[in-house]
Amino acid sequence: DAKTTQPNSMESNEEEPVHLPCNHSTISGTDYIHWYRQLPSQGPEYVIHGLTSNVNNRMASLAIAEDRKSSTLILHRATLRDAAVYYCLPSGGSYIPTFGRGTSLIVHP
Amino acid sequence: NAGVTQTPKFQVLKTGQSMTLQCAQDMNHEYMSWYRQDPGMGLRLIHYSVGAGITDQGEVPNGYNVSRSTTEDFPLRLLSAAPSQTSVYFCASSYGAPGTAIYEQYFGPGTRLTVT
Repeated sequence: DAKTTQPNSMESNEEEPVHLPCNHSTISGTDYIHWYRQLPSQGPEYVIHGLTSNVNNRMASLAIAEDRKSSTLILHRATLRDAAVYYCLPSGGSYIPTFGRGTSLIVHP
Repeated sequence: NAGVTQTPKFQVLKTGQSMTLQCAQDMNHEYMSWYRQDPGMGLRLIHYSVGAGITDQGEVPNGYNVSRSTTEDFPLRLLSAAPSQTSVYFCASSYGAPGTAIYEQYFGPGTRLTVT
């Protein structure tokens, strides 16, 4: 699977939008891009995934670059409950997904 | 619908002891997996299964065994516990396999294991 690069941490104020970037320059043409988040002391939670087109669901939006070498998870209005570690995870044919260290999102009231 | 359940929540073992971490899911998912997460790190895959009777090794399989006799259950066995196995263990399940459009993993709450 492709290697990913994410910032170690990001900060936001409550009710402001947050853009969490992920670089996956070695992604293959058939790899999906998944995002998970992990709240403190909990298991990871699926957020969203996509292949080529931008995707929206009730939790977030996923913007995928045209060359697919990067993607951005967008939280439209951050809440305190969104404070978590966010993982970007390309998924292709390998059955061994690689979770990096992710981005720790800090949300200020 | 309980999702993915894991027992126990906490466990302390002495070096050399063996134990089984239990994982069950009630979503009829074919794909199940076990991860470990060390402090400040991401998750690393230990073993996975693509269906009943089929298991395979992940990134860090040494010291662990798995079996999958039913779709619902996927226990992880520590053969002879070592302090290096102190970690948080997560079980996950998914309807689809990696690389498919329906690959969405559902994680359990985790088991916090300390080996002294």
